[in-house]
Amino acid sequence: NAGVTQTPKFQVLKTGQSMTLQCAQDMNHNSMYWYRQDPGMGLRLIYYSASEGTTDKGEVPNGYNVSRLNKREFSLRLESAAPSQTSVYFCASSAPWGGERQPQHFGDGTRLSIL
Amino acid sequence: AQTVTQSQPEMSVQEAETVTLSCTYDTSESDYYLFWYKQPPSRQMILVIRQEAYKQQNATENRFSVNFQKAAKSFSLKISDSQLGDAAMYFCAYWSGNSGDKLTFGTGTRLAVRP
Repeated sequence: NAGVTQTPKFQVLKTGQSMTLQCAQDMNHNSMYWYRQDPGMGLRLIYYSASEGTTDKGEVPNGYNVSRLNKREFSLRLESAAPSQTSVYFCASSAPWGGERQPQHFGDGTRLSIL
Repeated sequence: AQTVTQSQPEMSVQEAETVTLSCTYDTSESDYYLFWYKQPPSRQMILVIRQEAYKQQNATENRFSVNFQKAAKSFSLKISDSQLGDAAMYFCAYWSGNSGDKLTFGTGTRLAVRP
């Protein structure tokens, strides 16, 4: 059972380049999330999707776009990467929570460096 | 909006000793859940323990236990008999049904375990 799969695991970009981070889940979850993790800041929500076809801004959406391609996949795009977007990015998914041990399942993260 | 505060950026403990990590939160809701996540160098987000706000009894998972003080909005994690493998970042997180299935994270505490 793969859970939440993120690709790539590492990426180095130059300022101004574009990049799409991919995320797929095989748990038939309705909701999916993108977080960024920075030192001293914890995980902050960038965008989320409560269901296929819907997306909403989180705490730090500026500079990002998302696409909920289908129920399984939720991608995060940086149109013009900036050094401030250097971070570790996590994708997560969840079903309407009603008894599982945890509310969200996380991927293993993507370390993105922008020079 | 809910906030989660971890006031200890770093902690250190001697192997086999006990350490307590602090977390406070702010909410106006009465029904919610609190979690501690462990993030080792592998970057995985691993759920350590969870606490339902409606339960008065503190949660326990093997060497991990919490001290949940609902009135004080405090949720500390106690690690007993610390092991080298406990070295990691620890994040406190808040979830409620009214937050759209979104988790709110603290900024984390880095725990070092001295051999």
